[in-house]
Amino acid sequence: DGGITQSPKYLFRKEGQNVTLSCEQNLNHDAMYWYRQDPGQGLRLIYYSQIVNDFQKGDIAEGYSVSREKKESFPLTVTSAQKNPTAFYLCASTLSWGPDNSPLHFGNGTRLTVT
Amino acid sequence: GENVEQHPSTLSVQEGDSAVIKCTYSDSASNYFPWYKQELGKRPQLIIDIRSNVGEKKDQRIAVTLNKTAKHFSLHITETQPEDSAVYFCAARGGGSQGNLIFGKGTKLSVKP
Repeated sequence: DGGITQSPKYLFRKEGQNVTLSCEQNLNHDAMYWYRQDPGQGLRLIYYSQIVNDFQKGDIAEGYSVSREKKESFPLTVTSAQKNPTAFYLCASTLSWGPDNSPLHFGNGTRLTVT
Repeated sequence: GENVEQHPSTLSVQEGDSAVIKCTYSDSASNYFPWYKQELGKRPQLIIDIRSNVGEKKDQRIAVTLNKTAKHFSLHITETQPEDSAVYFCAARGGGSQGNLIFGKGTKLSVKP
């Protein structure tokens, strides 16, 4: 649905463990993004990738890491350094990056709970 | 960088009434303003967008207006229906090399039958 697949839908981890969230797209989009959503906070950009083998920090990158080894895949790792990891994580993509790029297409999200 | 403020945070209307959500932005070079609707437990979906060379855009019961001078844009929903109940997010994309969207904090719209 929508060409972006996030898995799993729900994820539970113990504090101190790293966890990787999967994001795969079959839209042939160059640019991909990770957003974090907290109640009343809107969507905040964690990392983005303009093209394969490239990625840049967003507004709240501390405690997160990403890779972009394939065009279709943009996994996000939530490390133990992230102080408040419990949140809803959304992956998105656009045809290209830049002021004239296409609208964001979102995946269905992963709800991460760390206890 | 760009900053987007969205008001109100919650909005309750009667079915059939109109709803208006307002956003302001800080970067005068911003050139693209989309609106997303997110139903409970689902992903955000684009419902309408406007570019800086246009003042108003309509799509059936939904319209967006843009005032570049005042740096604000608004979403108007007419003849609201219960299925319009959701969280709505505005966003702005900075101009120049700033290609990322900055989102407002969202408005929870409730349409009462």
